[in-house]
Amino acid sequence: RKEVEQDPGPFNVPEGATVAFNCTYSNSASQSFFWYRQDCRKEPKLLMSVYSSGNEDGRFTAQLNRASQYISLLIRDSKLSDSATYLCVVRRNAGNMLTFGGGTRLMVKP
Amino acid sequence: GAGVSQSPSNKVTEKGKDVELRCDPISGHTALYWYRQRLGQGLEFLIYFQGNSAPDKSGLPSDRFSAERTGESVSTLTIQRTQQEDSAVYLCASSLTGHYNEQFFGPGTRLTVL
Repeated sequence: RKEVEQDPGPFNVPEGATVAFNCTYSNSASQSFFWYRQDCRKEPKLLMSVYSSGNEDGRFTAQLNRASQYISLLIRDSKLSDSATYLCVVRRNAGNMLTFGGGTRLMVKP
Repeated sequence: GAGVSQSPSNKVTEKGKDVELRCDPISGHTALYWYRQRLGQGLEFLIYFQGNSAPDKSGLPSDRFSAERTGESVSTLTIQRTQQEDSAVYLCASSLTGHYNEQFFGPGTRLTVL
């Protein structure tokens, strides 16, 4: 079983739609959680950190459920420019290594 | 300011040859990481440097892979006797020291082994 699992998609949604991605992680020692965005043939870039209480950044909301070892990302009012691969990322307490999920591909259509 | 840079951006090599990939981290970033991304897959951690030492080499897939860092700056990832399964994008990231500091990625080196 992979340490971080995501549905690869693709999720095809119309502009303006709300879309949610889920991610599960297997290592209960994981301490920090992030969503990264990766455009085609580009490097990953941090979208947002995920805090225990849940957090929002504009149209993006991230939530963490430690008991279920589950992280989510909600995107409201999707834009064409949101089309990308969204990577769920966890970091263990020991060391600074990030473990990446395989990514969920989102395609927003006009 | 300047971000993480990597060179070459693309490298095509023949099976069995050695390759050297270079990473220039953001100035002042003491932590440096190498990852590999195969086509259509997520990133795999390879190695982590804190300063010039590598406390975590757990991701290096075989003894053909090695990396070094000098002057708390530039790092090189060397792959000896390349195999076709080494074909991937090799990404370097750097961060300030500290548990919650964001890792900034370079554009990667696309390695193709024929």
